[in-house]
Parts: sequence; structure tokens; C-alpha cells
Amino acid sequence: EIVVTQTPDSLAVSLGERATMHCKTNRSVSSRKEFLAWYQQRRGQPPKVLLYWSSTRDSGVPDRFSGSGSGTDFTLTINSVQAEDVATYYCHQYYSIASFGQGTKLEIK
Amino acid sequence: QVHLQESGPGLVKPSQTLSLSCTVSGDSITRDSTYWSWIRQHPVKGLEWIGLISYKGNPRYNPSLESRVTISEDTSKNQFSLRLNYVTAADTAVYFCVRAMAASGWFDAWGPGTRVTVSS
Repeated sequence: EIVVTQTPDSLAVSLGERATMHCKTNRSVSSRKEFLAWYQQRRGQPPKVLLYWSSTRDSGVPDRFSGSGSGTDFTLTINSVQAEDVATYYCHQYYSIASFGQGTKLEIK
Repeated sequence: QVHLQESGPGLVKPSQTLSLSCTVSGDSITRDSTYWSWIRQHPVKGLEWIGLISYKGNPRYNPSLESRVTISEDTSKNQFSLRLNYVTAADTAVYFCVRAMAASGWFDAWGPGTRVTVSS
């Protein structure tokens, strides 16, 4: 089983500032591509995919969301955070049996 | 645009069987290279993949739940279903039905989720 760990558990930033969160897997999830996705879950809604293959934005996702990383270490960056970005963010590895991180909760300072 | 909708009892007694269905519209569960999963979200443990059924009707399960889980399909209704046997309070969660476009792929479409409580 691939264990996925996200840091920090929660994050508070001011509107317009940058938010950075991290995802670490206990084994590499890269094989020519990075088998990692990021999701946004707003309160009361299901998760929505933001990025896949670590850095490819899904259709309609604003370009202030970006992803990077390879192997076991990945980062989600939100540039110029907006009020609608308040949510919990999850990373998901699909290299092996699917597993998710525990989430990073983003709040506005 | 694909739409998934879970349905089933919101309350199940301990040791009984949890049964949920997912009705898919806007796509076919037999369309090539589609994979239909169940994922649950525990209040504390977070998101857990339960298993999937492929467009060919082949199921695959999370080893941690495999002994208690069955995922099946009804292609005439464009539905797939989950059965989880011998439930305990630890199975209390929000259950989502989800689509992926590869066996090892990200989940690109989710149902709204249905809350299931296991309690006597």
C-alpha cells in the first residue's frame, strides 16, 4: 500500500497571497509520468479534480492552480488566493491501489 | 456531461449488508476505457477507495475490504452497485460513486455522495 501524507493539515493565507501545500508518498509514484492528482473539496460537495499527472490542469481550472513534483514529493500552489478557494485539498496517487492524503484545509486569514 | 447519483438506505444495522446503487447519465458504463468506482469518506479516516467495475464488467477491490465487498452492474439501467457485508460502525461514511478513464487513473466525475450510518 502506498501511504500518502499531506502537510500542513491547515493553512491560512490572506486574499491575493500564495498558498503552498505538500504531498509525500512513501514510494515513488512516477513511471515516465507522475501518477498523482489533486482535488478540491468545498464544504458539502464531492471532491473535484484540479490537476492530474501532477501538473496538468483539468478543463476549466483557473491557471492560478499549479502542481509540481516527481517521485515521492509533490506540491500544489495556488497563486493569488481567492475567497472561492476556501476548501480542503487532497492529493491522490493512482500508481497503485488508489490512496489519498488526509487533506489540507485552506482558510482565509 | 456525465452525472452520477447514489441511492440507497441511509441507515444500516450492524452486521447487516450495506447496499447502494449508482445511476449514471450522460455516459455509458460500458463505454470503452471507463472505470466506475466506489469511494467513501470517513469523518476521521478520510477518503478510501473501495473498488471498481470496468467497462467490461470486471470488478477489482481494495484488499482491505475485499472479503466483504461486491461491486456489480446492471447495464440495462446504466447502473452499478455496491454491497458491503457485515458492516460495523467503522463503515459509517459518505459513499461516492465515481468515474475514471483508466484503470489507474484520476477520478474525473463524482456523484454528490450519500451518507450511510451504521447503528442499531
